[in-house]
Amino acid sequence: SQQGEEDPQALSIQEGENATMNCSYKTSINNLQWYRQNSGRGLVHLILIRSNEREKHSGRLRVTLDTSKKSSSLLITASRAADTASYFCAHDNYGQNFVFGPGTRLSVLP
Amino acid sequence: EAQVTQNPRYLITVTGKKLTVTCSQNMNHEYMSWYRQDPGLGLRQIYYSMNVEVTDKGDVPEGYKVSRKEKRNFPLILESPSPNQTSLYFCASSSPTGGDGYTFGSGTRLTVV
Repeated sequence: SQQGEEDPQALSIQEGENATMNCSYKTSINNLQWYRQNSGRGLVHLILIRSNEREKHSGRLRVTLDTSKKSSSLLITASRAADTASYFCAHDNYGQNFVFGPGTRLSVLP
Repeated sequence: EAQVTQNPRYLITVTGKKLTVTCSQNMNHEYMSWYRQDPGLGLRQIYYSMNVEVTDKGDVPEGYKVSRKEKRNFPLILESPSPNQTSLYFCASSSPTGGDGYTFGSGTRLTVV
């Protein structure tokens, strides 16, 4: 399997704090994406970063990509209780199918 | 509204009884894929399709079949379901490069008894 890894598996923080999740992968990629999933629901696309980009922002989200280390991070700033969800990274596999990591479960406590 | 529609949302069936989970998208996406999600294992890809009549195995294809006769539809077929196929299934679609990310369906919770 070419499945990547996220860490930590679970993260619990207080409202207002920043949350950082990391993702590692094994293959060459064209892009890497982050998704959010509320319990039992479909995944929602958050942000995409291409292999020639190093950092991307979208609202309170900041994604970095280090292709030399085959890793990415997702930072959520000023977290809210509504950010409680599981977060997944996904990458294309040599430009073909997309592979998801096992996810990070984020709990934001009020 | 751009969406991926899966049916049914919930299904309880018995071992060996053939079933089909339908998936349809209205975004003219070439790429479609099926995943199953199990606790602690994340999303594992079952099959994917790059375009009409083009399908390929993902990481866990055993016990599943798919077809892509039309661009918008990508049904998942379980010819003889077994209890280890009890899972939450998701269909997703995207443009070929995935440039706008995947659009996911709402999921199908399948229980095989």
